[in-house]
Amino acid sequence: NAGVTQTPKFQVLKTGQSMTLQCAQDMNHEYMSWYRQDPGMGLRLIHYSVGAGITDQGEVPNGYNVSRSTTEDFPLRLLSAAPSQTSVYFCASSYSGQIETAFFGQGTRLTVV
Amino acid sequence: DQQVKQNSPSLSVQEGRISILNCDYTNSMFDYFLWYKKYPAEGPTFLISISSIKDKNEDGRFTVFLNKSAKHLSLHIVPSQPGDSAVYFCAASEYGGTSYDKVIFGPGTSLSVIP
Repeated sequence: NAGVTQTPKFQVLKTGQSMTLQCAQDMNHEYMSWYRQDPGMGLRLIHYSVGAGITDQGEVPNGYNVSRSTTEDFPLRLLSAAPSQTSVYFCASSYSGQIETAFFGQGTRLTVV
Repeated sequence: DQQVKQNSPSLSVQEGRISILNCDYTNSMFDYFLWYKKYPAEGPTFLISISSIKDKNEDGRFTVFLNKSAKHLSLHIVPSQPGDSAVYFCAASEYGGTSYDKVIFGPGTSLSVIP
């Protein structure tokens, strides 16, 4: 049982490049989400999903796309990377929609130069 | 403007002593509060929560106190252990809902427990 797996763990991008951060969970959780953590800012919600085929925007969705074609996977796509997207990204999943039941991945540290 | 504030970015405490982590909030509609713990290179994990109908909640060595009139809560760890060294995030939500889109996180306090 791997829990929530994020890949890659580290990534350096050039401004304007696109990439996809992968998130997979093997717990059959319906609810999944993406957060970014910046120094002095705490965790901020980017996008979330309440089930396959259903996604919604969080607090800071601009510059990011998501899709949820399967229960297991919730990839986060950066359309055209900008230095402001330098951050640590966390994926979370839960069986209910309540965050205190969520399992978080180990994070992806992204640097955009 | 941040609705959940943790004004101490870091805190150092001797092993065995009490650690007190503070959190202030500005939104008077917040009525449910959570604390998360995060080790380096790991995701956050839920630690303890408190509803606004209570002023204290205890779980083992961890106790959270809520002062609604001051819009302030604190997490007490007694006794502190080296394994408690981590970043602690305070979070808050309105109407008791803790769905992903309802919870606001503070910036975190890094606790170091010195052996």
